[in-house]
Order: sequence, then structure tokens, then C-alpha cells
Amino acid sequence: NAGVTQTPKFQVLKTGQSMTLQCAQDMNHNSMYWYRQDPGMGLRLIYYSASEGTTDKGEVPNGYNVSRLNKREFSLRLESAAPSQTSVYFCASSGTSGRTLASEQYFGPGTRLTVT
Amino acid sequence: AQSVSQHNHHVILSEAASLELGCNYSYGGTVNLFWYVQYPGQHLQLLLKYFSGDPLVKGIKGFEAEFIKSKFSFNLRKPSVQWSDTAEYFCAVMQGGGFKTIFGAGTRLFVKA
Repeated sequence: NAGVTQTPKFQVLKTGQSMTLQCAQDMNHNSMYWYRQDPGMGLRLIYYSASEGTTDKGEVPNGYNVSRLNKREFSLRLESAAPSQTSVYFCASSGTSGRTLASEQYFGPGTRLTVT
Repeated sequence: AQSVSQHNHHVILSEAASLELGCNYSYGGTVNLFWYVQYPGQHLQLLLKYFSGDPLVKGIKGFEAEFIKSKFSFNLRKPSVQWSDTAEYFCAVMQGGGFKTIFGAGTRLFVKA
């Protein structure tokens, strides 16, 4: 049981390049999330997917797109990378708990992205 | 907009000292509350959570937190910290019945051996 996996672990891009961050979970969770973590700002939600087939914007969606490929996989795409997107990106997933629609989140190991 | 405020950005304690990390949130409806911890070089993991019931919740490694609805607070406590508690701690709030979770900016705790 690997939990939440992310690839790649590290990436360096030049301004204007594109890339896709991959995330997969094997816990049969309905909900998946993408966050960015910047010093002094905690985690900020980029996009989330409440269930397979749905995606919604979070706090900082500009410059990103997502795809919920199936229940297991949720990818994040940067179409034209900018230096302001230098960050650590975390994927997370959550299941349900009793009457709540989403419970605590399980996080992947993160992708450290640098845009020069 | 919903927000989460953690009062201390950096805390330095000696081993065996008591810990209290403050967390306040701005949402007025039903909330689910979490504390997550990120040890150096590791990803976030859950310390404890509150959904309903007893407002004093206990988590892993001797941590506990108290939900005070009237103060919109969910402070984290530990009576006696250890060097291995050195980490960054994040308070998080999820709107009841929703999916979005808002995180605080985090508190870096350094425990001196």
C-alpha cells in the first residue's frame, strides 16, 4: 500500500516551458487535492476534485490546469511556467468519514519545482 | 473568505517544556478541524482531528487540542516536548459538509536537547 505517490520529485524548468505533475493514490479515496507550499504561507489549495469526473478551483488556480484521469489519478499541468510558480507541490487525497463528505487528507512526498 | 491564523511562526523550547500553539479561524458555520505535522524532510501527516463531540481531542505522540467554538480556536498542546517534536505544525479548517481545507501559515517548532 503505497498511499499517495507523486512524480517527479524534483524538476527545473525554464520560463515558458510546460510540464505535468503526476499524482496517484491507492486508498480508493474519492477526493484529491493539489497544494503549493511556500515559506511563511503554509499550504495553499490550487485545485481539488471532490470525486471522479469533477474538478474545482481552490485559492490560487491561475496558471494551472488539472485532470482527474480516473479515481486513482489527478494530474496538475503548468502550461507556461513562470518564476512565481517556483514552489513545492503536494498532492493529497481523502476519503469519507461517517456523515462527512471528506475526512483527513493523506499527502504525497511532494515535488520541488524551480522555474528559472 | 475563510481564513486560518496561527499566532506563532517560530517557537523554540527546551526539552520537557510545555507547548501551546494557537490557531484561530474565521468561518462561522460548522467546521472540521485538523492539526498536521511536517517533520524535516518528510511530508505532512495528521496529528489529530475534530469533527464533533468532545471538544478536547487527543492525537498521536501525546498531543491534544481543544476546540473552543465561542473563540473560533483550536489550540494544540503537549505537556512535555521532546527533541523529536522538532517540526512544522499546521492548523487546518474544513467547512462542514465541504471538501476545501484551508491551512494556516504554519509554526516552526525547534526543541533544544
